[in-house]
Amino acid sequence: GAGVSQTPSNKVTEKGKYVELRCDPISGHTALYWYRQSLGQGPEFLIYFQGTGAADDSGLPNDRFFAVRPEGSVSTLKIQRTERGDSAVYLCASSFRTDSQETQYFGPGTRLLVL
Amino acid sequence: GENVEQHPSTLSVQEGDSAVIKCTYSDSASNYFPWYKQELGKRPQLIIDIRSNVGEKKDQRIAVTLNKTAKHFSLHITETQPEDSAVYFCAAYNFGNEKLTFGTGTRLTIIP
Repeated sequence: GAGVSQTPSNKVTEKGKYVELRCDPISGHTALYWYRQSLGQGPEFLIYFQGTGAADDSGLPNDRFFAVRPEGSVSTLKIQRTERGDSAVYLCASSFRTDSQETQYFGPGTRLLVL
Repeated sequence: GENVEQHPSTLSVQEGDSAVIKCTYSDSASNYFPWYKQELGKRPQLIIDIRSNVGEKKDQRIAVTLNKTAKHFSLHITETQPEDSAVYFCAAYNFGNEKLTFGTGTRLTIIP
């Protein structure tokens, strides 16, 4: 079946602008995660949804970052007043949580460049 | 919170030889340890994982070992091939806080 998809694949914006990044998880996966990956680093946790609610948003760096998942499927990561330091690859992952295994499947990422 | 350290940061291995990547974690509550392979510009892909009730797991040329007492786990790739060249990330997951913490990655280069 289809894997996790993310759009756009690349986004170039100017400092101060607003951007939205979209994630389509694997059908049936209840858990959805957002990560940020800077060059040469591992993915860094941002926020986690279980269904429609944000179960843990402790990784969001500040209040310019916000994410929603209104119907428990597609999620949107929103960044206001973008800064050059926000430039990174934003990865989305989804999983079908069980008590015995937590395999997260990643999307291809959105490469965000803030000029 | 959890802290995962990964070594080495880069590793070059002659084709056909073995490669070993090591990780340590800090939170004794972590109980699931996946390994991801990421090729340049591509998404991280799960290659093998291990749960805390198992000491070793093998899948063809790839194996992972876990020492819960010492809080470290390792990835072993045998008979390396050029297509094994990529960045490898270890990670630790805690079912309690439902958070996956990644290591900083190892860039593996297989020399033909």
